[in-house]
Amino acid sequence: EVQLLESGGGLVQPGGSLRLSCAASGFTFSSYAMSWVRQAPGKGLEWVSGISGSGGSAYYADSVKGRFTISRDNSKNTLYLQMNSLRAEDTALYYCAKNCPPRSFGSYSWDSWGQGTLVTVSS
Amino acid sequence: DIVMTQSPDSLAVSLGERATINCKSSQSVLYSSNNKNYLAWYQQKPGQPPKMLIYWASTRESGVPDRFSGSGSGTDFTLTISSLQAEDVAVYYCQQYYSSPPLFGQGTKLEIK
Repeated sequence: EVQLLESGGGLVQPGGSLRLSCAASGFTFSSYAMSWVRQAPGKGLEWVSGISGSGGSAYYADSVKGRFTISRDNSKNTLYLQMNSLRAEDTALYYCAKNCPPRSFGSYSWDSWGQGTLVTVSS
Repeated sequence: DIVMTQSPDSLAVSLGERATINCKSSQSVLYSSNNKNYLAWYQQKPGQPPKMLIYWASTRESGVPDRFSGSGSGTDFTLTISSLQAEDVAVYYCQQYYSSPPLFGQGTKLEIK
């Protein structure tokens, strides 16, 4: 059974930094791309960032490009999101999500999700 | 970016009745080389993460009840729940994975009438 357990959320001041982690189990972690998807309180879903199985390729939404960095440690089956220069609009529940099996064409979709970790940016 | 627009924003349906949710993409998500529509549907129940219901516009994920079905092609898609059950109360999202960024629709809130 796939399990994804996020941690690292909390309250941070505008301009501050936070590092999220996602511990994965139940599948061959290095074989799958992974993503972070966020949901602001009472709002819809927004893809934030994705990374290939090897970690060699990373992609970002325009809203976080240059401020967030996604990475992974396949030896620890763990996904990370380093968030810098945080803004009030980054306040959201951040989900770690396992990408569907790789395709020769197209972007991301997700077949497993964690429960999320809440990030609140406020003074 | 391929923008996804769902209708309606909310929907109230009686138990046992049919529920229909529509999703329209700003560009076609049909890939001609494999004739597949790069469109997924997710269900998000209160307090829970999203769950994939359907991919390739009409293929049910393993374990999803057959009262859920997806249809459509190109830019217009539909999620149908043939006989609404109480446990189907949720917000439903469509999502395109044809190109980056992978965008979601705004969501449709489904309630019991």
